[in-house]
Amino acid sequence: GQNIDQPTEMTATEGAIVQINCTYQTSGFNGLFWYQQHAGEAPTFLSYNVLDGLEEKGRFSSFLSRSKGYSYLLLKELQMKDSASYLCAGLDSNYQLIWGAGTKLIIKP
Amino acid sequence: DAMVIQNPRYQVTQFGKPVTLSCSQTLNHNVMYWYQQKSSQAPKLLFHYYDKDFNNEADTPDNFQSRRPNTSFCFLDIRSPGLGDAAMYLCATSRATGTGANVLTFGAGSRLTVL
Repeated sequence: GQNIDQPTEMTATEGAIVQINCTYQTSGFNGLFWYQQHAGEAPTFLSYNVLDGLEEKGRFSSFLSRSKGYSYLLLKELQMKDSASYLCAGLDSNYQLIWGAGTKLIIKP
Repeated sequence: DAMVIQNPRYQVTQFGKPVTLSCSQTLNHNVMYWYQQKSSQAPKLLFHYYDKDFNNEADTPDNFQSRRPNTSFCFLDIRSPGLGDAAMYLCATSRATGTGANVLTFGAGSRLTVL
């Protein structure tokens, strides 16, 4: 079956760095997405990786290892507004998105 | 600004009373999706349209129906809502369904409460 695994909840301190991991098992692979979702709001697109390596976009970076079925989202210089759920989603061979349940990130002052 | 707009943002209905949720987009995207999301769970795809072609997920209950009268609008009809249908309903669009073109733009969601 197809599956996305990510931690349910993480806590970090304002100004620090946090890494949110995601492992995936999909039928074929056409890339991996990260979305941010604030409580009660819609998800917003953060990143898309289809090749191995790290992609940096401001304070956020996303990493992919296709051989390991593994990705992470790295958030630097954490701000209180980064408190949200972070959803990992894999794109399978039929271009269907397989979603994880999300990692709730709690930022403490 | 180009966007995806959902109405209503909050909908309260009684058990068994039909509900219609609407979604409109100004992005001119080919694909429109309806997702159901319950608290702390992954979004669950109900169905999607590629232009006028309707694609129903195998496990979407018959209680859920959809219409896309034109490129800009899509509707979700819940014919007889049950307590288990209380959720956030998310509309999303994308240009296409191929790699890289599959970035979803979501509306703000419609939160359904069933009494």
